[in-house]
Amino acid sequence: EAGVAQSPRYKIIEKRQSVAFWCNPISGHATLYWYQQILGQGPKLLIQFQNNGVVDDSQLPKDRFSAERLKGVDSTLKIQPAKLEDSAVYLCASSRGGLVYGYTFGSGTRLTVV
Amino acid sequence: AQTVTQSQPEMSVQEAETVTLSCTYDTSESNYYLFWYKQPPSRQMILVIRQEAYKQQNATENRFSVNFQKAAKSFSLKISDSQLGDTAMYFCAFMHNNAGNMLTFGGGTRLMVKP
Repeated sequence: EAGVAQSPRYKIIEKRQSVAFWCNPISGHATLYWYQQILGQGPKLLIQFQNNGVVDDSQLPKDRFSAERLKGVDSTLKIQPAKLEDSAVYLCASSRGGLVYGYTFGSGTRLTVV
Repeated sequence: AQTVTQSQPEMSVQEAETVTLSCTYDTSESNYYLFWYKQPPSRQMILVIRQEAYKQQNATENRFSVNFQKAAKSFSLKISDSQLGDTAMYFCAFMHNNAGNMLTFGGGTRLMVKP
């Protein structure tokens, strides 16, 4: 089966600019996650979707971050305006759901804010 | 809230030898899963091994095995016959259903396998 696709792979922007990341999960996976991984740390959940509804966005900085999952398939994560501390790898993952199933992660987008 | 702690920021091992990575966690839940993920420079998180908390038997996957001590809330990963391709970041992670199957990760251990 095809994996989780993410684009772009790298992005460099200046602070206060906006940026968007795209994720295409594995076909049939109802649950989609966006994680932020700051250099030298473990990933931290930003938002979780179940189909096209938000399950958990408690860790999403809503003043600058937004995410959507149209039609319960692809998802985009946007940052506007970006800050220096947003420099990180943004990982997308998908799952069929339930404790018995693991996640499949994409290769992430490395964002550098200068 | 659940926390996952990996106390070894970096480790190294000679090729063909055995190495153990440590992980401790804190939770009040009784039904949960524990995972070890590998993250090579390509950045993709790759599942190495998974352990269900209700199973007493330690999980094994080829050269990878875990030592799961539920009472001590400890979950270590043993890599036998280390290979150069095992060089990567390793993350311990926790999941339980009450958190919507959210994964909580530790800070990671950087493993270097030396020829």
